Amino acid sequence: QVQLVESGGGAVQPGGSLRLSCAASGFTFSYNAMHWVRQAPGKGLEWVAMIPHDGSYKYYTDSVRGRFTISRDNSKNTLYLQMDSLRVEDTATYYCAKDSTHWDCDYWGQGTLVTVSS
Amino acid sequence: QSALTQPASVSGSPGQSIAISCTGTNSDIGGFDYVSWYQQHPGQAPRLMISDVTNRPSGVSDRFSGSKSGNTASLTISGLQADDEADYYCCSYTRSSTWVFGGGTRLTVL
Repeated sequence: QVQLVESGGGAVQPGGSLRLSCAASGFTFSYNAMHWVRQAPGKGLEWVAMIPHDGSYKYYTDSVRGRFTISRDNSKNTLYLQMDSLRVEDTATYYCAKDSTHWDCDYWGQGTLVTVSS
Repeated sequence: QSALTQPASVSGSPGQSIAISCTGTNSDIGGFDYVSWYQQHPGQAPRLMISDVTNRPSGVSDRFSGSKSGNTASLTISGLQADDEADYYCCSYTRSSTWVFGGGTRLTVL
């Protein structure tokens, strides 16, 4: 069965960096685009970034472009999100999600919490 | 990219039907048939309920259905059950090659 397990979350001061990882199993990771989606405490879902199956391009929401970098290692079945210049408003649970090939997210991890606070 | 517009809350009694609307623009919902709907229970990850405007993934009850007219998509849940009580989010692919979610709708089963 498909499993997505995020890690790397934690507490960091404004201006700091974190690297999230998402270990994938149960499907052929190199076949699917992947997404990061976040959810601030008590708020709604916000799409963050997408990377296609081969990593040939990357798309970001405006608020993180230039600060966050999505990447993947198909040999390790792992998705990453490098987050630099973190802001208080980046505080959220970050989910990785598998694209179904229909530009939607058919499987989600359980999320990892990132807290940006001084 | 502004969030899609959903009602903050809807409610219904067991057995009834409800509909949740999701309004966007020609640059997202109106421009593509890549509208999806997600259910999220408290403390859990979202679950895909509707794909490509109208398609139900395997395992999703046929009580859930989706539609679209112009810049507005809708999720209809028939035969409401207690376990349907959750937050529901719409999502659309956009002309900028990004994705945008709605603000979410809290469904209460009375």
